[in-house]
Amino acid sequence: EIVLTQSPATLPLSPGERATLSCRASQSVSSSLAWYQQKPGQAPRLLIYEASNRATGIPARFSGSGSGTDFTLTVSSLEPEDFAVYYCQQRNNWPWTFGQGTKVEIK
Amino acid sequence: QVQLQESGPGLVKPSGTLSLTCVVSGDSISETNWWAWVRQPPGKGLEWIGEVFHSGGSTSNPSLKSRVTTSLDKSKNQFSLKLTSVTAADTAVYYCARGSFITIFGGTNAFDLWGQGTMVTVSS
Repeated sequence: EIVLTQSPATLPLSPGERATLSCRASQSVSSSLAWYQQKPGQAPRLLIYEASNRATGIPARFSGSGSGTDFTLTVSSLEPEDFAVYYCQQRNNWPWTFGQGTKVEIK
Repeated sequence: QVQLQESGPGLVKPSGTLSLTCVVSGDSISETNWWAWVRQPPGKGLEWIGEVFHSGGSTSNPSLKSRVTTSLDKSKNQFSLKLTSVTAADTAVYYCARGSFITIFGGTNAFDLWGQGTMVTVSS
């Protein structure tokens, strides 16, 4: 089973700052990596698929990069609504797995 | 507008069977997608449970040791989850989700639409 390790666990930032989140896979997942945002009491929402493609309706301030084992989600300038938990997920090697999450919190 | 809505008992007794249904509106479960279940224990992360394909084939997480059955009901445009021999460790919010294969017409190879989730507690 592929283990996805996200870092940092918590990221304290202020609105307007840049957020850089990391997801590292225990073995290559090619580009089959997605990022989700989850706010308290809500279902996850797809942000990025296949490592670097924004999902429908996702603002351009969200971008994804990477391939193989190292991936990054960047939020160029944090809006108040971006403070949430972010998960990565791979769909290259069965069983599909999620990272443990990074919480972006207000500093 | 495509929507997914989970339904089922909020309380299940230990050793019993957890049964949930996800009704899909605005999309046909017979199209080129897959229909999945993901759960989240209170205060914890996400775990993929299993999924059923538009063709009716299915797969599930081996960590759940064959306790999982997923199925489609095309006549009702819904899909279902059964989890047997439940324990307190199965207490979680259960989400249904849609995924799409990547084709020349689009697709994401990810869970691109989610239900709102339903809390299931395992307790006597």
